[in-house]
Amino acid sequence: DAGVTQSPTHLIKTRGQQVTLRCSPKSGHDTVSWYQQALGQGPQFIFQYYEEEERQRGNFPDRFSGHQFPNYSSELNVNALLLGDSALYLCASSLGGRPNTEAFFGQGTRLTVV
Amino acid sequence: AQSVSQHNHHVILSEAASLELGCNYSYGGTVNLFWYVQYPGQHLQLLLKYFSGDPLVKGIKGFEAEFIKSKFSFNLRKPSVQWSDTAEYFCAVNANTGFQKLVFGTGTRLLVSP
Repeated sequence: DAGVTQSPTHLIKTRGQQVTLRCSPKSGHDTVSWYQQALGQGPQFIFQYYEEEERQRGNFPDRFSGHQFPNYSSELNVNALLLGDSALYLCASSLGGRPNTEAFFGQGTRLTVV
Repeated sequence: AQSVSQHNHHVILSEAASLELGCNYSYGGTVNLFWYVQYPGQHLQLLLKYFSGDPLVKGIKGFEAEFIKSKFSFNLRKPSVQWSDTAEYFCAVNANTGFQKLVFGTGTRLLVSP
């Protein structure tokens, strides 16, 4: 049973560039959420995708955008990268995205902006 | 807005010692509560969850947590830790309305010495 997979595992980008991170949810899951985990902090909610639509968003600027495909996989895009965007980006999948369900996390993509 | 406080940022214990990690949240409504663990180099894994019912919940690997509604607390306990429990522990909460949006604490880094 494939868990949540994310790619790439590590990425180095220059300030001002754009980046795309990818996530495949756990088999049978239809909801994908993205989190940013800065060093020494807990994960912070970026947004959630369900039925190919963004249905909830955290306190992140519009530079952060996403997409969900018909097969439920998802992408996170970050434009005009800042040094402060350096973090571990986590993808979590669940079924239906309801609050009383378990979210399964991937290993994350470590993004370094230089 | 919801928030989660984890009082202990670093904890060092010897094997066989008892563990209690504090977690307090702020939110006036009904919540779902979670403890996640992140072992070195691995993804976030669910230790245990509380949705409703018995406030004493048991999770994997001998962990348990007690939900005390009047104190807005969900402390994690283990009677006897092992070296393999060395990891970072995150408490998380989401409101039991709308969509799943986990709010995490800053984490507690536990080191168990053999």
